[in-house]
Order: sequence, then C-alpha cells, then structure tokens
Amino acid sequence: DQQVKQNSPSLSVQEGRISILNCDYTNSMFDYFLWYKKYPAEGPTFLISISSIKDKNEDGRFTVFLNKSAKHLSLHIVPSQPGDSAVYFCAATGGTSYGKLTFGQGTILTVHP
Amino acid sequence: GAGVSQSPSNKVTEKGKDVELRCDPISGHTALYWYRQSLGQGLEFLIYFQGNSAPDKSGLPSDRFSAERTGGSVSTLTIQRTQQEDSAVYLCASSSSPGGRREQYFGPGTRLTVT
Repeated sequence: DQQVKQNSPSLSVQEGRISILNCDYTNSMFDYFLWYKKYPAEGPTFLISISSIKDKNEDGRFTVFLNKSAKHLSLHIVPSQPGDSAVYFCAATGGTSYGKLTFGQGTILTVHP
Repeated sequence: GAGVSQSPSNKVTEKGKDVELRCDPISGHTALYWYRQSLGQGLEFLIYFQGNSAPDKSGLPSDRFSAERTGGSVSTLTIQRTQQEDSAVYLCASSSSPGGRREQYFGPGTRLTVT
C-alpha cells in the first residue's frame, strides 16, 4: 500500500521555464509534507515543507501547494535551472508516526540549457 | 557546522556475513532515523530513535536487523547473516524536533552490496 505516490517517473523542461512536480497521498493522518532533492551518491537535501494548516509555502524559486481535499501537493520551480536537475522526493508525516517520513518513489527532473 | 556523517560510504560483503553501519547525527539533534533505498525504490523507513530509546522499530524488515544508539548521539545499524536482498543504500537522518514537524537532515548514505 503506497501511501505517497509520485506518478511521473521523469520530467524534462527547458531552462527558464516552470517545473511542476506532483505528489498524491492517501493517508488522511498526514499533516506535514516535505520535498527533498537528491543528487547521485548523495543523501537527500531538504528543499521546502508545508503544514496542513496552509495551502501554499514559498521559498525563493520554490513554491509548494497543498490541496487537502484532493490529497495532492505540487512543487513549482520557477525559473528552472540546469543545476536543478536531480531526483525529487515528496515525503509526508503525521499522526503518531514519531515524525518518520513516508516517501514517494521520486521524479527525475532534467532541465535542459 | 558538521552535517550528518555515515561510515563506511561503501561496503561489499559476502552473503551470510554480519555488517555494521555507523551514523553520526548533527550535534544536539535528539531524533535519529534510519531509512534504506533499494534499487529503483523510494526511501523506506527502518527505525526511529529518540535519545537512546527506539519507540518505533516497525520498519525493520526482519530480526536480522538491529540498531542501537549510545549517549544520545552515534547510532549503529547491524545486519546479521546478510542476504542479497539487503543490498541497498542505507541512509541516516537526524532532526532537532522529536516526533515533530521539522525537516530531517540526511547523511550521504552507506551503499551496501551483498555478493
């Protein structure tokens, strides 16, 4: 039972355009959501998070949107840069999970110059 | 300041041998998590430590897996009688917020290959 899903294994965008990465979840106990970026042979790096009391959080070029009724969140990167090319993981936590994160399968983002 | 460190970075072992993986969390972080990422898979939770105790071991895949944490700092993940399906990248993360809603900071991982 995959509680966090990233249905797009890969995404390719042109430099300067918007990248939109999507994530769906099924567990209604999740109340905190995070996006991580991962380069090969490195650990995931925290990007941005959002609490379920909000529907949007912005940090520089990164914005995360949360639609609780649809159990859907998305990460927008504007403008996209070649250095953004990496694997992006959506993660969620909540309830009595002690903060453990449930991750999606990841989306490989490629930004072309 | 120093981030989360893990050692070794790579480990190749023969099936049936025991291995120990080490994690040094960020200083002062009381919460410590182990995850693993198998080939082509997302990250999978293994165990959570708050201080030296482990209130959540639900992700450990079998009794061949164990972990401990001493002094509220360093943690060791031990896999006994390794099997080929144990091959994965083992990641450690720490957080300043025990069980709370804060980001976790990950180490670079240990790539375990069981031959």
